Amino acid sequence: DGGITQSPKYLFRKEGQNVTLSCEQNLNHDAMYWYRQDPGQGLRLIYYSQIVNDFQKGDIAEGYSVSREKKESFPLTVTSAQKNPTAFYLCASGGGLNQPQHFGDGTRLSIL
Amino acid sequence: GENVEQHPSTLSVQEGDSAVIKCTYSDSASNYFPWYKQELGKRPQLIIDIRSNVGEKKDQRIAVTLNKTAKHFSLHITETQPEDSAVYFCAASIGGTSYGKLTFGQGTILTVHP
Repeated sequence: DGGITQSPKYLFRKEGQNVTLSCEQNLNHDAMYWYRQDPGQGLRLIYYSQIVNDFQKGDIAEGYSVSREKKESFPLTVTSAQKNPTAFYLCASGGGLNQPQHFGDGTRLSIL
Repeated sequence: GENVEQHPSTLSVQEGDSAVIKCTYSDSASNYFPWYKQELGKRPQLIIDIRSNVGEKKDQRIAVTLNKTAKHFSLHITETQPEDSAVYFCAASIGGTSYGKLTFGQGTILTVHP
């Protein structure tokens, strides 16, 4: 959906390096989410935030960090502690009452 | 936490046939069930959703049914077309403070042969 912008589309990480994935939305949604998708698998929740300056761990938060300083932005940092970072990362927003989650186009992260 | 199982993992049909994908969930508190379609390399797109106060919902060729007692819900696609070929994901969510925290099934690869 055009209101959720993820960048970059492709990202390569060197060993020991932290990388940050950007997610911006102009839909005025309160809630934002980060999911990881591995080939042939469903989406797994990494972190989510239902309000500015607050966020909660999802099912696979280890090795990741987030911040929510603005309503529009929810960046995800993949730290060097995440030993298997290669995946397709999807950001979503919405999810409140009568607000289904809608997704950005994703960032594909690979290891160099 | 919530667990969502989706079957089948792959489904192959002829154009014009119907396709049915089934999901079961574990947490009886779940009350929102969306279905997403994902084409290769693209974002998942919401195609239909249902809330627990409704047993069935239709949108043109797509319908979803919900059986709260049995804790399962299904996606029905009629008169399938080649452009329906994609991966379909079901999901479940609990209301209240965790509203919107979706748990996804593993996905069904649907192939519609012309």
